[in-house]
Amino acid sequence: EAGVVQSPRYKIIEKKQPVAFWCNPISGHNTLYWYRQNLGQGPELLIRYENEEAVDDSQLPKDRFSAERLKGVDSTLKIQPAELGDSAVYLCASSLEGGFRNTIYFGEGSWLTVV
Amino acid sequence: QKEVEQNSGPLSVPEGAIASLNCTYSDRGSQSFFWYRQYSGKSPELIMSIYSNGDKEDGRFTAQLNKASQYVSLLIRDSQPSDSATYLCAVLTGGFKTIFGAGTRLFVKA
Repeated sequence: EAGVVQSPRYKIIEKKQPVAFWCNPISGHNTLYWYRQNLGQGPELLIRYENEEAVDDSQLPKDRFSAERLKGVDSTLKIQPAELGDSAVYLCASSLEGGFRNTIYFGEGSWLTVV
Repeated sequence: QKEVEQNSGPLSVPEGAIASLNCTYSDRGSQSFFWYRQYSGKSPELIMSIYSNGDKEDGRFTAQLNKASQYVSLLIRDSQPSDSATYLCAVLTGGFKTIFGAGTRLFVKA
């Protein structure tokens, strides 16, 4: 079974430029997450989708970040414009459902460097 | 107070020893607890999950949960150099949000 697939794996952009990350979750997983991980820190949730609905986006900086999950499968996370502080690893993850036995599986991550 | 707290380490143990990793959490409504391993430059991978008070064993790994003390731990027996990584504690809170600790770095010396 294929895992969570993310692209691009690495991206270097200049500040104020836009960037987008794509994620394909594990087949059949209804819940999709975008986490951000800074060096030496644990992953921090940006947004969680249940099917097509964003059920938790409280930590998403909505002035510059946007996300979508069309048709309840693939998802895209966009940053526009990027700032130096956005340099981090952006982790997409998925789980079968959002209940209490929910187990999250991560993709390989998209490493962003803003210069 | 952070929602999920871990000692950042590094924790250094000799090969063959028992490594003990600890985690505390603040939300008493939390129901599910997870340990992830993260190698440098890689994404987190699930090691174990635990839902009930007590111990859960899987090979060389044992997870321990004490909800009354809001404490969860991971024991690694017969530690190997390949166990050297950062171990993340994750808690599924009563609000259905999975919160991660900052992780504990483990070094196993050959």
